Amino acid sequence: GESVGLHLPTLSVQEGDNSIINCAYSNSASDYFIWYKQESGKGPQFIIDIRSNMDKRQGQRVTVLLNKTVKHLSLQIAATQPGDSAVYFCAESPFYNQGGKLIFGQGTELSVKP
Amino acid sequence: DGGITQSPKYLFRKEGQNVTLSCEQNLNHDAMYWYRQDPGQGLRLIYYSQIVNDFQKGDIAEGYSVSREKKESFPLTVTSAQKNPTAFYLCASSITPRSSTDTQYFGPGTRLTVL
Repeated sequence: GESVGLHLPTLSVQEGDNSIINCAYSNSASDYFIWYKQESGKGPQFIIDIRSNMDKRQGQRVTVLLNKTVKHLSLQIAATQPGDSAVYFCAESPFYNQGGKLIFGQGTELSVKP
Repeated sequence: DGGITQSPKYLFRKEGQNVTLSCEQNLNHDAMYWYRQDPGQGLRLIYYSQIVNDFQKGDIAEGYSVSREKKESFPLTVTSAQKNPTAFYLCASSITPRSSTDTQYFGPGTRLTVL
């Protein structure tokens, strides 16, 4: 069935290092992807998105890479800071999705050690 | 939280009671959504609304009800028929539901605990 999943449930990195969070998706009809950051007890916060006609998109300290061949999405965080500690979710939206429904992965918890 | 408010932040309910969670947005977004999040899990869609006076069931609608009488408001009622209502409830909105590439923005959430 359709699913969005993450390779690693937890990731621990040293402050200042780069972080890479991965996400696999199975619906080849998905043409839009979003990364969200969720801090404990708060709602998800939009980080960055990418459309299927792109392979890479950069934001402030974050980069999203999309590999449609293997249905893989990744979020790279440069110079990771303690404030980046949170759970990160990927979400996908199929092109036929006229209801705006997103399919969410289970999330990866990023822990940044000072 | 992008102009989306949810209240209350914490809610306690006795078994057998119905409770209503509030969600308001001042972003002039057409679409609104309700999700449920359980510990260590992703978000599951309960209900969504593409336009005023219209809404559709999501993946886990049983035991919940909604209304959309105003564009800015999308309250969720957790009824006594919901067998395991303790969870973190998130409301979201997007500009339009008619595009598959429309970003959803989330409120701060309501944590519901059944005593």
